[in-house]
Amino acid sequence: QVQLVESGGGVVQPGRSLRLSCAASGFTFSSYGMHWVRQAPGKGLEWVAMIWFDGSNKYYADSVKGRFTISRDNSKNTVYLQMNSLRVDDTAVYYCVRDQGQWGDRRLAIWGQGTLVTVSS
Amino acid sequence: QSALTQPASVSGSPGQSITISCTGTSNDVGSSNLVSWYQQYSGKAPKLMIYEVTKRASGVSNRFSGSKSGNTASLTISGLQADDEADYYCYSNGGVGVFLFGGGTKLTVL
Repeated sequence: QVQLVESGGGVVQPGRSLRLSCAASGFTFSSYGMHWVRQAPGKGLEWVAMIWFDGSNKYYADSVKGRFTISRDNSKNTVYLQMNSLRVDDTAVYYCVRDQGQWGDRRLAIWGQGTLVTVSS
Repeated sequence: QSALTQPASVSGSPGQSITISCTGTSNDVGSSNLVSWYQQYSGKAPKLMIYEVTKRASGVSNRFSGSKSGNTASLTISGLQADDEADYYCYSNGGVGVFLFGGGTKLTVL
C-alpha cells in the first residue's frame, strides 16, 4: 500500500545539524512532488519545504530558508531534509507528505506518521 | 506570507451543522482553485478531506463539503457525529513556491 516512513528524528543541541529521511513505497515516487510539513508541540501545521518530482526546483518557508535543504533520490524512493543551525523553535514533529501533482502544487495527498525533532541544550 | 485565518474553535451538537472559515487574501485563497482541508485527530497525522475547494477525497463522507467566496474558503460538516471531533486545517498556495496553512480550528462535538 501507499506509505511514507520518516526517520532520523531525535534530540539535538541548538546550532547542530540533523538529517531526516522519508522512504516511500506503493507508488511511483519519481512522479510526485514531495513536501515536509512540521507541527510544534501544541501548535498548528507549518509548511516547511517542497521539491519537484525530478528535484529540479525546491522551495522553502522563510523560517527555514538558508538553514534547511530538501533533496530526493528517485533511485532510492527517498526524500531528505537536511537541517542545519537548528534552533529551539525548530522543535516539532516533521511530516513527510506526497503531493498529488508533479510540481507540488496540488494537494497534500499522503502523509507519513511523522518524526519528532527536539532541539534542546 | 502570513498564515490563513481560521477560528480557534467551533462547536456543535450531534446532528447539527457547523462551518469553519478560512480567510486569506487575493494573493492566495482568493486566486486559488486549490484550497484543501485536512482533519487531524490528536497525536495522529493529518488526513486530506477536501481538495480543489469543493471535491471530497476518496472515502470521505458526503457530510463534508467545501466552498469559497472571495478570499474566504469554508468547510461545512453536516449531521455532526462524535468522531468528527478533531482539528481542521485549511491550506492554499499563495504564488509560486508559497504554501500556507490556516492556524487550525478545534471542533468540539457537545
